Amino acid sequence: DQQVKQNSPSLSVQEGRISILNCDYTNSMFDYFLWYKKYPAEGPTFLISISSIKDKNEDGRFTVFLNKSAKHLSLHIVPSQPGDSAVYFCAASANTGNQFYFGTGTSLTVIP
Amino acid sequence: EADIYQTPRYLVIGTGKKITLECSQTMGHDKMYWYQQDPGMELHLIHYSYGVNSTEKGDLSSESTVSRIRTEHFPLTLESARPSHTSQYLCASSTGYWTGELFFGEGSRLTVL
Repeated sequence: DQQVKQNSPSLSVQEGRISILNCDYTNSMFDYFLWYKKYPAEGPTFLISISSIKDKNEDGRFTVFLNKSAKHLSLHIVPSQPGDSAVYFCAASANTGNQFYFGTGTSLTVIP
Repeated sequence: EADIYQTPRYLVIGTGKKITLECSQTMGHDKMYWYQQDPGMELHLIHYSYGVNSTEKGDLSSESTVSRIRTEHFPLTLESARPSHTSQYLCASSTGYWTGELFFGEGSRLTVL
């Protein structure tokens, strides 16, 4: 059973606009969340993370929001740039666990 | 920048061949992982290691095996490759703290004919 879900396989956004990527999780023990970006034929690279003691974390154009009661997090990219076009994976872990759980990814296309 | 390397990047082999995918990291990380990923699917953990001489199977059953004789090296072996093993294999490492990020290699794309 998938514990981290990204229900939108793809998203297209105009350059300069906001991209919002969503992620839902089912395991209430998860307390640390990460976003990764992946280009074709490359490994994922870390983007931004958030722990459950926060509801927002910002790094430049990237902001992650966490809603623990809804078991939902989102990644906002503002402004979106063509170089942001990639697959974005949401991941979660628990301090009592041994591993990270990944979603299926959302393919973002930023149209120039 | 992460210092974790995988070889080969691409491999096309015939059914029944034995293959080893290499993974090395120079960050001194204790924890290392192998993930398998197919297009449009999540990354599935197939093996992990907490340190030298420690290996565990992940959630996704895999016919592959791993070894961890040195901290920096975590190879994955398939004794007899089959077309169902065609996939991308991603190696990763982390500091071991639950808030530590995973550092990924560039992946090995395996195609078994």
